[in-house]
Amino acid sequence: KAGVTQTPRYLIKTRGQQVTLSCSPISGHRSVSWYQQTPGQGLQFLFEYFSETQRNKGNFPGRFSGRQFSNSRSEMNVSTLELGDSALYLCASSWGSGTGGYGYTFGSGTRLTVV
Amino acid sequence: DAKTTQPNSMESNEEEPVHLPCNHSTISGTDYIHWYRQLPSQGPEYVIHGLTSNVNNRMASLAIAEDRKSSTLILHRATLRDAAVYYCILRDPRNTPLVFGKGTRLSVIA
Repeated sequence: KAGVTQTPRYLIKTRGQQVTLSCSPISGHRSVSWYQQTPGQGLQFLFEYFSETQRNKGNFPGRFSGRQFSNSRSEMNVSTLELGDSALYLCASSWGSGTGGYGYTFGSGTRLTVV
Repeated sequence: DAKTTQPNSMESNEEEPVHLPCNHSTISGTDYIHWYRQLPSQGPEYVIHGLTSNVNNRMASLAIAEDRKSSTLILHRATLRDAAVYYCILRDPRNTPLVFGKGTRLSVIA
């Protein structure tokens, strides 16, 4: 069974540019969450989508946005990149039924470097 | 958000059991207790979760205190591959995200 696929794996961008990261969840999973991981701040929650609707949002500026498509694939976008946006961006998918407990499966992440 | 408290680091000898503690005194009745781990250079990996009863799976066991204010993740026989950061997370599945704390860095000594 295919896992969570994130593309690209590595990315180098210049300050001020924008970037789009992609996440394909496990087949059948309807929830996709995004996280930013840096050495200083650890794993921080960005947002969560369920059936194309943003269900939760973390404490990040509006430059960070996302969306989910009808096939549950998700993209996140960061506009006007800053050096501090350099991080590992992780995507996680789950059944997301909203009832009961369920586990999340994470992808390997996209390593973004802003220069 | 409900909070958890974990030791910053722990050390274990290979092939011995490891008990990773987690305190969550403000847990609510609808919070599930989740454990994830993150190996070096990888994304987090689901380990186990539970609500009230102890749980076992192929990776580990989760022991939940009767009052649910604490829990313990048990690795029955630590291997070098178990060296990772272990996160204990409370989550209400109705509509809250999975929020990570600092976790416990487990070192396994050969």
